[in-house]
Amino acid sequence: DVKVTQSSRYLVKRTGEKVFLECVQDMDHENMFWYRQDPGLGLRLIYFSYDVKMKEKGDIPEGYSVSREKKERFSLILESASTNQTSMYLCASKTGAHTGELFFGEGSRLTVL
Amino acid sequence: GQNIDQPTEMTATEGAIVQINCTYQTSGFNGLFWYQQHAGEAPTFLSYNVLDGLEEKGRFSSFLSRSKGYSYLLLKELQMKDSASYLCAVKDSNYQLIWGAGTKLIIKP
Repeated sequence: DVKVTQSSRYLVKRTGEKVFLECVQDMDHENMFWYRQDPGLGLRLIYFSYDVKMKEKGDIPEGYSVSREKKERFSLILESASTNQTSMYLCASKTGAHTGELFFGEGSRLTVL
Repeated sequence: GQNIDQPTEMTATEGAIVQINCTYQTSGFNGLFWYQQHAGEAPTFLSYNVLDGLEEKGRFSSFLSRSKGYSYLLLKELQMKDSASYLCAVKDSNYQLIWGAGTKLIIKP
């Protein structure tokens, strides 16, 4: 069964802390994505990566960075967490750049106090 | 700007049929997706339409009219497990996905 695994389901952090969210996929997909999901809004793309060590900004990259050192792993980093980054973070992967559906992880719910 | 509109919430009865609409205004069109997301879980792929018409997959069907910028997801013989949010997403001219806010479907016995 194909799987996208996010390291933490629930996190509580304090303002200013550095936060790492990790995502691993076992489908040998080239493309990986980080989204945030907030009530009343559609999914918003933070960053994506189409290959190891490659990254592209999405619609809302400010305050975030990413790392993709291995094909199966894509990490989202909040250098200095702020309360407006309290959200559900979803990782996804897919095979083709322009084709195919996304496979999502179960999400990481981050609360920043 | 780009926009995807879906009803925020719908209620239906077990065993009935429900149609969830999605209208879109995007810069270009390269396909439309429907995903299902149960509360606290990952979104999962339901359907993909790129040509006009109806695609049927078991109890679920998805329709697309590109000229009208319109799609719907039709769920038949509703079951309690169909209670979930349904997300519509359009692939624009740059192959980027634009997402609607989702429709929360509540099934009552």
